[in-house]
Amino acid sequence: AQSVTQLDSHVSVSEGTPVLLRCNYSSSYSPSLFWYVQHPNKGLQLLLKYTSAATLVKGINGFEAEFKKSETSFHLTKPSAHMSDAAEYFCVVSDNSGGYQKVTFGTGTKLQVIP
Amino acid sequence: EPEVTQTPSHQVTQMGQEVILRCVPISNHLYFYWYRQILGQKVEFLVSFYNNEISEKSEIFDDQFSVERPDGSNFTLKIRSTKLEDSAMYFCASSEQESKNIQYFGAGTRLSVL
Repeated sequence: AQSVTQLDSHVSVSEGTPVLLRCNYSSSYSPSLFWYVQHPNKGLQLLLKYTSAATLVKGINGFEAEFKKSETSFHLTKPSAHMSDAAEYFCVVSDNSGGYQKVTFGTGTKLQVIP
Repeated sequence: EPEVTQTPSHQVTQMGQEVILRCVPISNHLYFYWYRQILGQKVEFLVSFYNNEISEKSEIFDDQFSVERPDGSNFTLKIRSTKLEDSAMYFCASSEQESKNIQYFGAGTRLSVL
């Protein structure tokens, strides 16, 4: 079975402080994991992806995520939040379930950055 | 970097009308997908397409929906008779043969049914 859980629907941080957006997944196969960002009234933008290479993945805009198989987690972090980071973030799991590709989106986490 | 492009960015239509949403996948990709996101809800899988046929579809993808790759570059989603509840953001994605797990998404088309 494939699923993804984003533990926080809303996260609020002050500008300049660290960001942590949590994601846990389950997959019966070797999954690929992604984080997408969606700014208001905009499409999906790929932040970073994990595809069975290095477990610490660096993405755009200073974001990074660490794949932890033992914890089935893929949390998104950034050392210092910027006002432009305010958006909704989606964790996505993808695997080849039953021989064809299956993708599941998390419910999203809205990040608020306070000046 | 190559990207998936979708047109139009915003489509407004009257209930009962047919709409066609267009996507140009990345050129060497062979797998194509449509997703939708109703406002305030999660992104949902609609359909996947490979080798000129549907490989998988969700419960949402009923007889009102169809997909086509008419000319080797475009990948279209048609809704025959739109309903109010079809209002959503529709995302197209594509992936290549060797890395099927990695889907590249377009920026989406916002469909508003009045």
